[in-house]
Amino acid sequence: GEDVEQSLFLSVREGDSSVINCTYTDSSSTYLYWYKQEPGAGLQLLTYIFSNMDMKQDQRLTVLLNKKDKHLSLRIADTQTGDSAIYFCAESKASGTYKYIFGTGTRLKVLA
Amino acid sequence: GAVVSQHPSWVICKSGTSVKIECRSLDFQATTMFWYRQFPKQSLMLMATSNEGSKATYEQGVEKDKFLINHASLTLSTLTVTSAHPEDSSFYICSARPRGRPETQYFGPGTRLLVL
Repeated sequence: GEDVEQSLFLSVREGDSSVINCTYTDSSSTYLYWYKQEPGAGLQLLTYIFSNMDMKQDQRLTVLLNKKDKHLSLRIADTQTGDSAIYFCAESKASGTYKYIFGTGTRLKVLA
Repeated sequence: GAVVSQHPSWVICKSGTSVKIECRSLDFQATTMFWYRQFPKQSLMLMATSNEGSKATYEQGVEKDKFLINHASLTLSTLTVTSAHPEDSSFYICSARPRGRPETQYFGPGTRLLVL
């Protein structure tokens, strides 16, 4: 079945880089996403990558995809206290309803 | 752009009453809307997928008579929790998929439901 796993917690110092990891099991996934959720709020789309790409960079965010190992990562450069939140990865297939399967979420805490 | 609103943002109700939650796409047309449920410190679980003008498709284990979904227009979907019980207390989040962009979902801010 489909399963998306993430580590539960990550703590970094302000100014350092953060790397949040995600593994998935469905090799037919077409799109892989990163969402940010702040306390009591909905999800904010940060970025997404097609499965035929290895890397995507958007300002402080870098997404790396290792399709062979089914591993996705999100690197946040120069992490700020405002980056403290829960980060979810998700995957979907380019068929049917394109429904998302979400990961378990990683709680990022940025220490001043 | 791509704003999705939910109303109400939070609601407290007595056991046995019904609660309606609205999800609106404010600046785009949404051919499909999704309803999720999130328990504290957990991930989002998809409850159902609704397409404008047709019946919703429910995920396995979700009672369609308990969670009524209506998607009457390209900008509005509603979720009604019927005869709510304390175990229905949760954070309900909707998302909307823009026309022509099937790979993208924009999420609402969520509705926190507390059933006493």
